[in-house]
Amino acid sequence: GQQVMQIPQYQHVQEGEDFTTYCNSSTTLSNIQWYKQRPGGHPVFLIQLVKSGEVKKQKRLTFQFGEAKKNSSLHITATQTTDVGTYFCAGPQGGSEKLVFGKGTKLTVNP
Amino acid sequence: NAGVTQTPKFRILKIGQSMTLQCAQDMNHNYMYWYRQDPGMGLKLIYYSVGAGITDKGEVPNGYNVSRSTTEDFPLRLELAAPSQTSVYFCASSPPGTDTQYFGPGTRLTVL
Repeated sequence: GQQVMQIPQYQHVQEGEDFTTYCNSSTTLSNIQWYKQRPGGHPVFLIQLVKSGEVKKQKRLTFQFGEAKKNSSLHITATQTTDVGTYFCAGPQGGSEKLVFGKGTKLTVNP
Repeated sequence: NAGVTQTPKFRILKIGQSMTLQCAQDMNHNYMYWYRQDPGMGLKLIYYSVGAGITDKGEVPNGYNVSRSTTEDFPLRLELAAPSQTSVYFCASSPPGTDTQYFGPGTRLTVL
């Protein structure tokens, strides 16, 4: 079945360092979504990318959708302690109302 | 709008007990979902619904049941609780025409 893989599984950085997580799908996606889950919290929708090669920015966060629409990345510039959490990517399961989530990248930030 | 609400927040069950996890949304979303998240793991889809009266199995439906009698409510029933069902349960919903999901705060369930 369709799989969405994320790397790395864990990332520990010093505050101020950059952070990148990568997402790869086994199939072409109509869109890719990113969610953030704070420790003890619930996943919260961050952004959706739809177009091939699309790049979107939210303050220090930069999201990219690959040209083949099978991969995506999230880059955080100059991490802050408020960035701590697990970042999930998710893509629609072909033609259905379901999303396939990656296993997430857990980010910890040392102040 | 309250968004997606879940009750209870926490629950401890004994093996073999049953319970219903409640989920409600007031955004008139058609699609609703139940996930479980084991410690340090990703989200696994248990059941989902595309509208009132329509439900379907996800990746890990065994040991659970759902019903969707109204657009607003999507309860998840656990029969004969087992320690393997210890997890955090999230309910989510999607508005019509989009697959973006909005999650509730979760129910932390422990089965002893």
